[in-house]
Amino acid sequence: DSGVTQTPKHLITATGQRVTLRCSPRSGDLSVYWYQQSLDQGLQFLIQYYNGEERAKGNILERFSAQQFPDLHSELNLSSLELGDSALYFCASSDGQGTNQPQHFGDGTRLSIL
Amino acid sequence: AQSVTQPDTHITVSEGASLELRCNYSYGATPYLFWYVQSPGQGLQLLLKYFSGDTLVQGIKGFEAEFKRSQSSFNLRKPSVHWSDAAEYFCAVGAPGYSTLTFGKGTMLLVSP
Repeated sequence: DSGVTQTPKHLITATGQRVTLRCSPRSGDLSVYWYQQSLDQGLQFLIQYYNGEERAKGNILERFSAQQFPDLHSELNLSSLELGDSALYFCASSDGQGTNQPQHFGDGTRLSIL
Repeated sequence: AQSVTQPDTHITVSEGASLELRCNYSYGATPYLFWYVQSPGQGLQLLLKYFSGDTLVQGIKGFEAEFKRSQSSFNLRKPSVHWSDAAEYFCAVGAPGYSTLTFGKGTMLLVSP
């Protein structure tokens, strides 16, 4: 158990819809990272938050947004969903904001777009 | 920017045999290097990490990795593979001053009886 909790585990929805994925980091961790994992693209970094502020942005679409709340949990919002958004979405957390801080991953949310 | 290459997408090893998974990175200085393992239906678990110092690092589950600067490599090894090691393995690189990791495409390990 990594201590990172992601909900829901599975999500099935239709094209054009909007969903919210939730992540609770390990106790004490201030950084939250979001990744998208698909068969063709592999593990792609989306965005990082540190103590409530955006720290780094990766290959995140404009239709996607995220935030980190004062209690440090984070949400990833995906809107105007397309078939290609079907993927496994991971959240990871670390206690610092540099890459010398190992990231601890949740079990992911599997998003299926019908 | 840094990059990571895992040349093998799939590897099959007999149970009890030794294992080596390859990882090559591209970065101008010494990066931070990681190996993660992902079992089906689960998230990534950190096996080991290298920041500096001794180039042979020990990790969990009997894994070790060796940093070779001259070859820009960080290969993962295990002397005797168990069936429970079947999973996907990811190499990742980070850089001082940066906050994000770059992951390789992964190597799927299959263990035959």
